[in-house]
Amino acid sequence: DAKTTQPNSMESNEEEPVHLPCNHSTISGTDYIHWYRQLPSQGPEYVIHGLTSNVNNRMASLAIAEDRKSSTLILHRATLRDAAVYYCILRGDKIIFGKGTRLHILP
Amino acid sequence: NAGVTQTPKFQVLKTGQSMTLQCAQDMNHNSMYWYRQDPGMGLRLIYYSASEGTTDKGEVPNGYNVSRLNKREFSLRLESAAPSQTSVYFCASSEAPDRVCGYTFGSGTRLTVV
Repeated sequence: DAKTTQPNSMESNEEEPVHLPCNHSTISGTDYIHWYRQLPSQGPEYVIHGLTSNVNNRMASLAIAEDRKSSTLILHRATLRDAAVYYCILRGDKIIFGKGTRLHILP
Repeated sequence: NAGVTQTPKFQVLKTGQSMTLQCAQDMNHNSMYWYRQDPGMGLRLIYYSASEGTTDKGEVPNGYNVSRLNKREFSLRLESAAPSQTSVYFCASSEAPDRVCGYTFGSGTRLTVV
């Protein structure tokens, strides 16, 4: 399973956009890019996924580089409830988690 | 909607005791997974079942066994618990093992082995 690289932690101010980066230089042509987040004391929850094109849903947007070697999860207007660990994952036949990015939201 | 249900939510075991963690999903998903999460760490895959009747080892299978009882249920058994197995255990399911399918996670079982 190909690996991803994410910053250990990030900070953002409340009500501002947040861009969470992920590098996946060894991605294969059939790997989907998935993002999950884990709120404190909860199980991970699905956020968004994509293959080549940028994707939007009610939670976030996913911007995928043209060469697919990196992607960015965009939270358009962060709230305190978005404070969580965000995992960027290359989806093979199973999901292997890295350590993710711990996002701190400053009020 | 129940989604993925794990029981129990909390458990304390003595070293050497055995127990089974239960997981059930009501979404008619084909694939199910067991992960463990240690403090400050990401999740590590223990075992998974791509479809009913099949099971495979993940990253950290030693000390565990699994049973895919039917399409809904996937249990994780600790035959002789060790303090190193103190962790939070998460069960997950997905419609299929296909790369487009996302996971739905349960709320976890917090296990302490003393």
